[in-house]
Formats: sequence, structure tokens, C-alpha cells
Amino acid sequence: EADIYQTPRYLVIGTGKKITLECSQTMGHDKMYWYQQDPGMELHLIHYSYGVNSTEKGDLSSESTVSRIRTEHFPLTLESARPSHTSQYLCASSEGDRVRETQYFGPGTRLLVL
Amino acid sequence: ILNVEQSPQSLHVQEGDSTNFTCSFPSSNFYALHWYRWETAKSPEALFVMTLNGDEKKKGRISATLNTKEGYSYLYIKGSQPEDSATYLCALNTGGFKTIFGAGTRLFVKA
Repeated sequence: EADIYQTPRYLVIGTGKKITLECSQTMGHDKMYWYQQDPGMELHLIHYSYGVNSTEKGDLSSESTVSRIRTEHFPLTLESARPSHTSQYLCASSEGDRVRETQYFGPGTRLLVL
Repeated sequence: ILNVEQSPQSLHVQEGDSTNFTCSFPSSNFYALHWYRWETAKSPEALFVMTLNGDEKKKGRISATLNTKEGYSYLYIKGSQPEDSATYLCALNTGGFKTIFGAGTRLFVKA
């Protein structure tokens, strides 16, 4: 069983607030990812990290930022939340060769911005 | 833009029915194909990873096949049970850092 955690699981917040979504994994994986998913739609990669102090933006434009100061921790921050940020955010990690690697997912954070 | 298409979008079956669904992808960008199962309120979990044309994988009542030349994979569930109810995601690894996910097939199995 994978050990990857996300908090909070659900968040309702007002427009303009700063929020941080937490993601931690205890598997020692170097690679970590943030995905955004709207209902019935694909998971879209918004950020990824190869390892400590390495972060890259994914395909989907996002106003969020990430940091990777420790291997196990990959938080995502929205400086000023807007209703358009309402979505589900999934964190994942992986190891192994780039082709066959399986991603291990957290349970997700459902964000509602009023 | 690379797309991974899954069909049907949703499927309702009776307990005991066998079912299958499809994942289509651009064959020219293939390195590996993953299937994940995502139960409501839980994390997506890996089912299979397939890399070779003609690959077949099996886990209990669930199996998958791969055709990289024509760009599709089938997932089969034999004798569906209510606990099989979930969204089944397929994901294409194109050799880069990014994995491209389909929108999933949502399976409902009625007892």
C-alpha cells in the first residue's frame, strides 16, 4: 500500500484567500506530481518535481506554485484563490525507470472557492 | 496535442456480467500504457503497466490487452461484482516526464 497523504481532503474558502495544499510521501520517491481534475475530465499535470529543489510547470497553465525543500514534501500554494480554481487536486509520486514507472496517488483535495 | 480517449464514458452492468472498455492513443507516441482503478473517495491505484505490442496482463477477474500498432488497449472484467464499481483510468507514457491520462470509464455494478 502506498503511503502518500494529502491535506486537507476538502476545503471551502473565499475568493482572495491564500491556501496551501499539503502532500507528503514516506516512500522516498524522487519524483512527485500535482494534477488537477474537473469532474468527468482528464487529470491534467500542473507541476512536477524530479527531486529536492527541482520543480517544473506541467502542461496545464496554473496560477499555483510549488516547492520541494524536502524529498517527502511537495506543497502547492495558491496566493489568491478564485472561483476558477475550484477543482480536485491530486498529488502523486513515483520511482523507477521513466517508461514503466507507476504513479502512487494521494486521496486528493477537493477545493471550492466561493 | 496528444489525446488519450476512453470509451464508454460510463457503463452500468448487473452483477455477474462481463464487461470491457477501450483506451485509444496515438501509436506514434507510445512508450508504455498504464491502467488505474479509482474508487470513490479513495486514491487511484495501479492495475497494470504494459509496454509491448500484444501484451496481456491479468489480475484476478481483470485483464488487459495492448495493441501498439493500432493504438488501443482493452480492459476486461469477468463476472463483475459491486466492488468493481470504480472509474478506470488509462494513461499513456510518451517517454518524457509527462503521463497523459484519459478521462476514465466509470463503471457501476448493480447487485
